[in-house]
This record gives sequence, C-alpha cells and structure tokens, in this order.
Amino acid sequence: SAVISQKPSRDICQRGTSLTIQCQVDSQVTMMFWYRQQPGQSLTLIATANQGSEATYESGFVIDKFPISRPNLTFSTLTVSNMSPEDSSIYLCSVRDRGLLGQNTGELFFGEGSRLTVL
Amino acid sequence: GEDVEQSLFLSVREGDSSVINCTYTDSSSTYLYWYKQEPGAGLQLLTYIFSNMDMKQDQRLTVLLNKKDKHLSLRIADTQTGDSAIYFCAESIGDYKLSFGAGTTVTVRA
Repeated sequence: SAVISQKPSRDICQRGTSLTIQCQVDSQVTMMFWYRQQPGQSLTLIATANQGSEATYESGFVIDKFPISRPNLTFSTLTVSNMSPEDSSIYLCSVRDRGLLGQNTGELFFGEGSRLTVL
Repeated sequence: GEDVEQSLFLSVREGDSSVINCTYTDSSSTYLYWYKQEPGAGLQLLTYIFSNMDMKQDQRLTVLLNKKDKHLSLRIADTQTGDSAIYFCAESIGDYKLSFGAGTTVTVRA
C-alpha cells in the first residue's frame, strides 16, 4: 500500500494567518483527496486534487479558502487561508492506489493527518 | 442521498466478539469500507468489500453486506484492548469519493 506523509503533523496558528499542509506519497497514485475532520466529527471531503489542473471542490468549500496544488502524481498541498477558530480541525490527505498489475483497486488510504488549532 | 449511519458507542468485554453495524443509502456504491481511528491518529483502512460480495473475512475481521437492506456490519472476533478505537463505515460515491458515518467508539473492558 502507498505510504503517505503529511507535514506538519500539528500546528497552532493565529487567527487571520494561512497555513499550507503538504502531502507526499511514496508512489505515483491516480487520485488524491483532502478531507477535514472537525473535533468529534466524521470526515468531510473538501476537494479532489487534480494533477496539472484546478482542484474539484465539494459543496461548501471554495478555492479562495482552500487553495490546492498537485504538481505531480506524488505530491499535493492544501492551504487553509485566513484562518479562524472554526478551521480548527484535522486535515487528512487520502490517495487511491493501484494494484500490483496497475489496475484501479477499491483501496483508499489516509495520511496521519495534520491537526490544526487556530487561536 | 449520501447518508451513512452507525451507532455511536459500543462497549465489549475483552475476548468477546464485537459487531458494529452501519446502514447506507446509495445503492450504486461500488465499495464499502471500514476504517479504524485510534486517539490522535489518522485513519487506518481495516478492510473493504466490493458491492457484489456478501461476505469478506480477514483474520479476526468479518464483513457482512446485505445489499438489499443497505446494511453493512463488521465483526471483530476475540476483541482485544488494542481494538479500542473509533470505527468509521464509509461508502463510495461515484466510485472514488467516500461518504463517512459518524463513527462508532468501541471501548474494550477487561
């Protein structure tokens, strides 16, 4: 399975600032996603990170607030802009891997998450 | 709709079996998943099942899928203290997005 590394693992941020989270995968993956998990809540999909083009955002999420980059098949960033305390969450990168024969599988893996606290 | 529902809490005695239930709404879901989240950690993919299967077994884990009733369950045999965690059920939407349930907190007592 793909090994996913996220940085930072946690951070404490000031209101009004922006923070960029990085997601690095140890192999080329077909699809990369960003999820948010608010305190005590389940996961909500923010967007699909598309390689070489603009990300596809889910309802309720916009590019100005959560700009995403995906310059290649192994790396993506999510920026949380102009943060407020309501943005305090765990942000998780997720990838869809390929099987040993290069086929699409149902496996979707998550990074360890980046825990942000906004004061 | 894209609603996944699961009970919020489960308490089980060490050595007993745990059964976590989940219902989903999208009959076109290709895959259904179980993830485990330990305190302060990310999500660990435990197992997943293709929608044309009705059962999948992997060591202590057994997944049962009733597609007619849109019901998914995860059975953990011989539950250990290390199994204490939050378990998330998820369904695939459009083959690759996931819609998650609220999570079931499993507490294993001695």
